[in-house]
Amino acid sequence: GNSVTQMEGPVTLSEEAFLTINCTYTATGYPSLFWYVQYPGEGLQLLLKATKADDKGSNKGFEATYRKETTSFHLEKGSVQVSDSAVYFCAFAGGTSYGKLTFGQGTILTVHP
Amino acid sequence: DVKVTQSSRYLVKRTGEKVFLECVQDMDHENMFWYRQDPGLGLRLIYFSYDVKMKEKGDIPEGYSVSREKKERFSLILESASTNQTSMYLCASSYPSGNQPQHFGDGTRLSIL
Repeated sequence: GNSVTQMEGPVTLSEEAFLTINCTYTATGYPSLFWYVQYPGEGLQLLLKATKADDKGSNKGFEATYRKETTSFHLEKGSVQVSDSAVYFCAFAGGTSYGKLTFGQGTILTVHP
Repeated sequence: DVKVTQSSRYLVKRTGEKVFLECVQDMDHENMFWYRQDPGLGLRLIYFSYDVKMKEKGDIPEGYSVSREKKERFSLILESASTNQTSMYLCASSYPSGNQPQHFGDGTRLSIL
């Protein structure tokens, strides 16, 4: 069935470190892929998206590339900040009815000064 | 920007009470969703709706019901609240196309005493 596997956390980094959060998916067809971010005490915000193979989504210094051959959508940022501390969710849509999304379990990121 | 508004950020209720959580969106989205979020369990879909007066069960509908009398409003009802329904509840909305992202509210932190 459809599923998303995310890198387990928590991930702890120092400010200005390089970030990678791995995400792989299992789905039929060609889903759209998303990264959401959840800051403490808030709902989920759409961080970036990609709708077809080799698309690169980017926002706020974060990037992720839709890799169809490896069914992956890894999130990267070259230099993290303390304000990036949050929970990150990988998700995909498509191949299901009514716009339902399949979410990963979430990865907690903590960035220290 | 899409705005999804949940009526309460924090709510405290007693066991056995009937509890209503309200969600309103301003983007004329056809789809609306209710999730609960618990540590270690990620997001779990409770119910969703793809049109006024239409609803579908998600993964964990037991103990919940929903109402969608108007397109912009989607209510989650706990028929007889129990302590195991203490959780963060998130509402989301989206366009009907299967590849669209969902837009989330800020969540309601519900405590059942």
